Amino acid sequence: RKEVEQDPGPFNVPEGATVAFNCTYSNSASQSFFWYRQDCRKEPKLLMSVYSSGNEDGRFTAQLNRASQYISLLIRDSKLSDSATYLCVVTPTSGGYNKLIFGAGTRLAVHP
Amino acid sequence: EAGVAQSPRYKIIEKRQSVAFWCNPISGHATLYWYQQILGQGPKLLIQFQNNGVVDDSQLPKDRFSAERLKGVDSTLKIQPAKLEDSAVYLCASSFGEMEFFGPGTRLTVL
Repeated sequence: RKEVEQDPGPFNVPEGATVAFNCTYSNSASQSFFWYRQDCRKEPKLLMSVYSSGNEDGRFTAQLNRASQYISLLIRDSKLSDSATYLCVVTPTSGGYNKLIFGAGTRLAVHP
Repeated sequence: EAGVAQSPRYKIIEKRQSVAFWCNPISGHATLYWYQQILGQGPKLLIQFQNNGVVDDSQLPKDRFSAERLKGVDSTLKIQPAKLEDSAVYLCASSFGEMEFFGPGTRLTVL
């Protein structure tokens, strides 16, 4: 089983739609959780951290369910510029050193 | 603030040849990472340095890959000899604390 698994996608949605991505992780001792965004042929960039209480940043909402080892990302009112691959990222316990485990990513295509 | 620099941006080689990639992290970032990203997959950590010491190289194919960070700043990643399956983007990242910043990557094609 992969350490981090995501919906494979691609998700093709019209502008203005709400879209949700799911992610599960296998290591119950994982400490930190993130969503990264990767544009085509570009490097990954941090979109947002994910906290147990859930967090929101504008149109983006991230949720964490530690009991189910499940992370989600909700994008409201999709824009054309949201088209990208969204990577779920988990930091396992690693002796105090930060180590990111990436999922394979979910591709989002927003069309007019 | 300058970002993570990598060179070259693109490299095409034939199998069994050698290749080296260079990374200059963000100034002051003690932790440096090399990732391999194969098309359609997420980045996979190859090696992690804390200053000039190796913290994690468990997924580095040590028979052909090597990396160094001699002065705790710049780093090089070498592949010798390259195989077809090494075709990928090699991403360097650096961090201070929990946030990682990625460089633009080196796209390697092995023919």
